[in-house]
Amino acid sequence: EIVLTQSPGTLSLSPGERATLSCRASQSVSGNYLAWFQQKPGQAPRLLIYGASSRATDIPDRFSGSGSGTDFTLTVGRLEPEDFAVYYCHQYGSSPGTFGQGTKVEIK
Amino acid sequence: EVQLVESGGGLVQPGRSLRLSCAASGFSFDASAMHWVRQAPGKGLEWVSGISFNSGSTGYADSVKGRFTISRDNAKNSLFLQMSSLRAEDTALYYCAKDLGHTGHGGFDHWGQGTLVTVSS
Repeated sequence: EIVLTQSPGTLSLSPGERATLSCRASQSVSGNYLAWFQQKPGQAPRLLIYGASSRATDIPDRFSGSGSGTDFTLTVGRLEPEDFAVYYCHQYGSSPGTFGQGTKVEIK
Repeated sequence: EVQLVESGGGLVQPGRSLRLSCAASGFSFDASAMHWVRQAPGKGLEWVSGISFNSGSTGYADSVKGRFTISRDNAKNSLFLQMSSLRAEDTALYYCAKDLGHTGHGGFDHWGQGTLVTVSS
């Protein structure tokens, strides 16, 4: 199975700053079928990005995804207070689908 | 509005069985692949199983293969997960998730709120 490694584990930033999250795959992700989710405490995950770079419905344009093959990035242009959460990458190009271990974006 | 409502969770002894259900509404259920994803307390997300729009294709995580069975009833807009030979490590919040596509290559665009399964004697 494809192992996804997210870095850093925790990102401490202030509102208004830019966040850059990394997701590295142990082998190439088929079709660049790579998604990013945001999860807040007590809530279900929310899809932000699919197909590596397509924004999901109603997702603000400060969220962007890039990358291909084995290296993917989620960028949050300017952090808003509601963006502090845990972020997961997910590959769904090969079965079994797998998730990264998560990156926590916390307020500095 | 898309809604996914899971049910069927609870406390169960190791080795026993449980059947989870997910009631879907607000979209064309028979056109979407569906999935189960779980999250152990305080841990990350784990894909458990997926099924294509017409039940023609299913997939399972290695950790549940041979013990769990996914199915769907398109006439009743419902998704199921039959879990048997349950283990302590199956304890988790189980989410039902809708796929953007027919066959499971679309990304999970809607999630339910989850149903908690606790396996303990």
